[in-house]
Amino acid sequence: AQSVTQLGSHVSVSEGALVLLRCNYSSSVPPYLFWYVQYPNQGLQLLLKYTTGATLVKGINGFEAEFKKSETSFHLTKPSAHMSDAAEYFCAVSDRGKTSYDKVIFGPGTSLSVIP
Amino acid sequence: DVKVTQSSRYLVKRTGEKVFLECVQDMDHENMFWYRQDPGLGLRLIYFSYDVKMKEKGDIPEGYSVSREKKERFSLILESASTNQTSMYLCASSLPNEGPSYEQYFGPGTRLTVT
Repeated sequence: AQSVTQLGSHVSVSEGALVLLRCNYSSSVPPYLFWYVQYPNQGLQLLLKYTTGATLVKGINGFEAEFKKSETSFHLTKPSAHMSDAAEYFCAVSDRGKTSYDKVIFGPGTSLSVIP
Repeated sequence: DVKVTQSSRYLVKRTGEKVFLECVQDMDHENMFWYRQDPGLGLRLIYFSYDVKMKEKGDIPEGYSVSREKKERFSLILESASTNQTSMYLCASSLPNEGPSYEQYFGPGTRLTVT
């Protein structure tokens, strides 16, 4: 069965510092991988996704993530944190299209705080 | 602009009441989902639907049912609300698995409190 772990339920960084949010997954087949962000009082929105091809994926708002098959990881990074990055971040994994509908497994989330 | 809307942002109900949560999407998506979100547990899938009148149980369907009579609308029903169903409920939609278009689009959520 697929599962997703996110190391650290809460991460604090200073404004301008590197953001690193960790995600590890377990899957019997190469999965599709996602990062979603949830700003306060809003639903989730997609930051970036890995489906195939280049393992370094760039997303919105300067975020990127690298798929490392050998480490079963998909860590999210941003070189310089901004106050507006404060939000909840969810890593997610999905099977590779065995059916016409995609069941996505979400991690528990990491709350990012940015300190001025 | 793609849009998923949920009928209420905040809802307070009493134990034993029947509760309806409505979700509407305007993207002509085949797939629709209901999740509940609890601190430290992330999102857990309650039910999903891949076509009108079709539904599949997710990971935590107990105490819930769903209805999809029209493609754009997916309703979550709490037959007899209980305090342990106090949570944030999120609706989402997506296209079928045709190519790498697995993105789910989420509504703003309904925070339900059962007293």
